[in-house]
This record gives sequence, C-alpha cells and structure tokens, in this order.
Amino acid sequence: EVQLVESGGGLVQPGRSLRLSCTASEFTFGDYGLSWVRQAPGKGLEWIGFIRSKVYGGTTEYAASVKGRFTITRDDSKSIAYLQMNSLKTEDTAMYYCARGIVEMATRYYFDYWGQGTLVTVSS
Amino acid sequence: EIVMTQSPATLSVSPGERATLSCRASQSVSSSLAWYQQKPGQAPRLLIYGASTRATGIPARFSGSGSGTEFTLTISSLQSEDFAVYYCQQYNNWPPWTFGQGTKVEIK
Repeated sequence: EVQLVESGGGLVQPGRSLRLSCTASEFTFGDYGLSWVRQAPGKGLEWIGFIRSKVYGGTTEYAASVKGRFTITRDDSKSIAYLQMNSLKTEDTAMYYCARGIVEMATRYYFDYWGQGTLVTVSS
Repeated sequence: EIVMTQSPATLSVSPGERATLSCRASQSVSSSLAWYQQKPGQAPRLLIYGASTRATGIPARFSGSGSGTEFTLTISSLQSEDFAVYYCQQYNNWPPWTFGQGTKVEIK
C-alpha cells in the first residue's frame, strides 16, 4: 500500500532551522508531485508548498506565509522529499504533513495519500 | 486567492441520519473540488475528488455534488466511524491550494 512517512520534527528556537523528510514507499515516487500541508494546534489545514515531478519540470510553489524561508527538494533515487525550514517563527508551530499529488487534466493536482505528520514546535 | 467557506461549523447528527455539508468558493473552481475527512490524531483522508468521484475504498454512503462555486458532501446514513472533521479543498486555481475551515460532524 502507498505509504508516506514524515520525520525530522521537534522543538526548535525561533530563528533557527529544521529539515523535515517525507519518505515514500510502494509507488514510483518520481512520477508524482508532492505537497506539504500544515495544521496548527486546533486549527485547519494550510497548504504551504508543492514540488512537481521531474516530468513536469521539478519546479516548486510556495504559500506566501513561507516563501523565501522554506524550500522543498526531492531525491527521487531515495524516494524522499525534504522541507527545509529556515528563520522559523512561533507561528510555524504545527503538524506538518506531506501528501502525494495526483494530476488531473494535466494541470490540476489533488492529494490522495497523506503521511501521519511530524510535529514542529517553535519556542524559546 | 480563492477563499473556501464551509457551513455549518458544527453539525450534530444522530447515527443513521443523513448529514449534508456545504462548501462555497469565492469564485468558480469548476469541478476541481476535493473533500477530506480527518479524525482526531489522524492525517486527512481523501473522500471525494472532481466534486463527485469517490476515492478508492470510500463507502457509497459518501457522495459529493456541485460545480462552480457551490458544493455539497452528503453522508447518507451516519455510522459511528463517520464522526470527524470534514474539509473541502479547491485545486482549480493554484497556488495556493485552499481549504475550507472545516465542518465538525458530532454525535447528537
């Protein structure tokens, strides 16, 4: 069965960096786009970033709230996507999920499988 | 940015009854609308995509309808495992992908 497993979360001080990983299995990782979505404690879902598959250029998109601070990369040989988070703020405290993107009509992506999440707490 | 608005915020329903959840987009998203279910301590699970297509393994009691700016998720006969928070999400105009604020379906 398709599986996505996030790791790398933890407690970090404001202004510091953290790198999350999303490890995929049971599907051809390189064929799919991948998103990161976060959820602050007790709040709703917020999309924060997306990386296309190499077939679609491997390019990235970011939400305004993280643009310039967060970077998504992928290593298709290892079936892993990364979320590099720099200059962290207390408002970045959330559960971070990765989700597989399914393309529809060549340009639209919805997310069919999600990992279980990894918790990031930004606090001094 | 497309704003997604869900109503009601909380829906109290008895087991076996029908639940109807609404989602409105601030501009047309065609049929590029997904619904997710999230239970406490769990990741979201895809229920519906393309406004009305059930994802793999989703029971037939879940159905989606609508297009443009108005969408509905119907659970025909609520089971105990259906009490959860439900989110709609548009994927027509991105970035950003945007979610509604969620509807909590609770036991009446």
